[in-house]
Amino acid sequence: AQKITQTQPGMFVQEKEAVTLDCTYDTSDPSYGLFWYKQPSSGEMIFLIYQGSYDQQNATEGRYSLNFQKARKSANLVISASQLGDSAMYFCAMREGGNQGGKLIFGQGTELSVKP
Amino acid sequence: GAVVSQHPSWVICKSGTSVKIECRSLDFQATTMFWYRQFPKQSLMLMATSNEGSKATYEQGVEKDKFLINHASLTLSTLTVTSAHPEDSSFYICSLWGLQLNSPLHFGNGTRLTVT
Repeated sequence: AQKITQTQPGMFVQEKEAVTLDCTYDTSDPSYGLFWYKQPSSGEMIFLIYQGSYDQQNATEGRYSLNFQKARKSANLVISASQLGDSAMYFCAMREGGNQGGKLIFGQGTELSVKP
Repeated sequence: GAVVSQHPSWVICKSGTSVKIECRSLDFQATTMFWYRQFPKQSLMLMATSNEGSKATYEQGVEKDKFLINHASLTLSTLTVTSAHPEDSSFYICSLWGLQLNSPLHFGNGTRLTVT
C-alpha cells in the first residue's frame, strides 16, 4: 500500500522569503512519480512540479524546486521568494508504477499563508 | 488552455434527489478518468477510476450503487450521486492524465454539491 504524508497542516511565511513544505512517502514500487499541486480557495488544482523516482536531478520549475531525497523517501517543495498569491493549499501526491496511468494519491495538504 | 471541462460548477439539490456531474476531455480521448471527493479543509480522496467501455473501479468504502459512473465515450465520464443526502455535500472533481510522458494529472474545476 502506498502512503504519502504531509505533517504541516499550516505554514506561515513572510513575503519574499523562501519556504519548505514537507512531504514523505512510502512505497515498495521502485518506479513512481511525485507531484505537487496548489489549490487556491477557488478549488482548482494547479500542477506545480514533478519528480520521477529515477530522475537524477531535483526538479525545478521557476520559483518551485523539489528537494528529492530518495533514501529518506522525502520530496519537499521549496518555494523561493514567496508572493501573496502563493497563499493556498498545497498537496503532495504520488503515483506508483511507471510514468503513465495509474492512481494519484494525495497527502493531507499544507495550508500556506504568505504575510505581507 | 483547459484540458478537462467539468459541469456544473455548483449545484444545490434536495435530499433524496439525484445529481449528475459531467466531465469532458477537451483535447484528446481518455480511456481512463478519475473521480475525487474533497471535504472542506481535507485532502482529495480518490473515489473511483472510470474506464471507457467497462465498469468503473471503486475505491474501498465507496458505494458503487450510490455513486454511479458512466464512461460511455472516450471524451465523457459522468458521476451520478443517487438519492443524495446532506452528508454527500462535498467538492467533486474529475481528472485525467495527459498524453505526454510524465504529464501531470489534469483536473476539472470541480463541482460543489450542496444537499439540503
